[in-house]
Amino acid sequence: DIQMTQSPSSLSASVGDRVTITCRASQAISNYLAWFQQKPGKAPESLIYAASSLQSGVPSKFSGSGSGTDFTLTISSLQPEDFATYYCQQSYSIPYTFGQGTKLENK
Amino acid sequence: QLQLQESGPGLVKPSETLSLTCTVSGGSISSSSYYWGWIRQPPGKGLEWIGSIYYSGSTYYNPSLKSRVTISVDTSKNQFSLKLSSVTAADTAVYYCARHEIGWFDPWGQGTLVTVSS
Repeated sequence: DIQMTQSPSSLSASVGDRVTITCRASQAISNYLAWFQQKPGKAPESLIYAASSLQSGVPSKFSGSGSGTDFTLTISSLQPEDFATYYCQQSYSIPYTFGQGTKLENK
Repeated sequence: QLQLQESGPGLVKPSETLSLTCTVSGGSISSSSYYWGWIRQPPGKGLEWIGSIYYSGSTYYNPSLKSRVTISVDTSKNQFSLKLSSVTAADTAVYYCARHEIGWFDPWGQGTLVTVSS
């Protein structure tokens, strides 16, 4: 299985900050990488697919980059609704696997 | 707008079989571009992909669960289903269904909590 490792596991930031979350794959996955946002008690919502493509309806303050083994999710100008847990996920090979999550908290 | 809704018992006894159904509305499960999948999340933990099915009935499963999982589709009802046999407390989780293309999961159902307990 491909292991997905996110860093940091938790992150404290303030409204208006720009934050970056990193996801590393245990082997090269080309651009088969997605990012999700999950709020407490809710289902994950897709933000980014194919490493850098913005899902329809997702604000442009979210951006993704990377290829191979190293990927980043950047959120510019944090708003209160952005405090949530973020997951990366690879779809390069079966089984699809997720990172352990990064909890973004309001400082 | 495509919507998915999970349904099924919220409590299952150890060693029994967990059965859930996902009903798709606002679109056809027979769309040629998409697969339909199940993902679970134990309380307070991360996400685990269980398996997926194409409208034709073609399936693929997570090897870690493959011996206990069966996913089926009913195109006449626009539904697909999950069966997980010989459950234990470790199978307690919120179970989500989702549509996907090349492994990109979107949208997701709201999820349903299944507790394994006697």
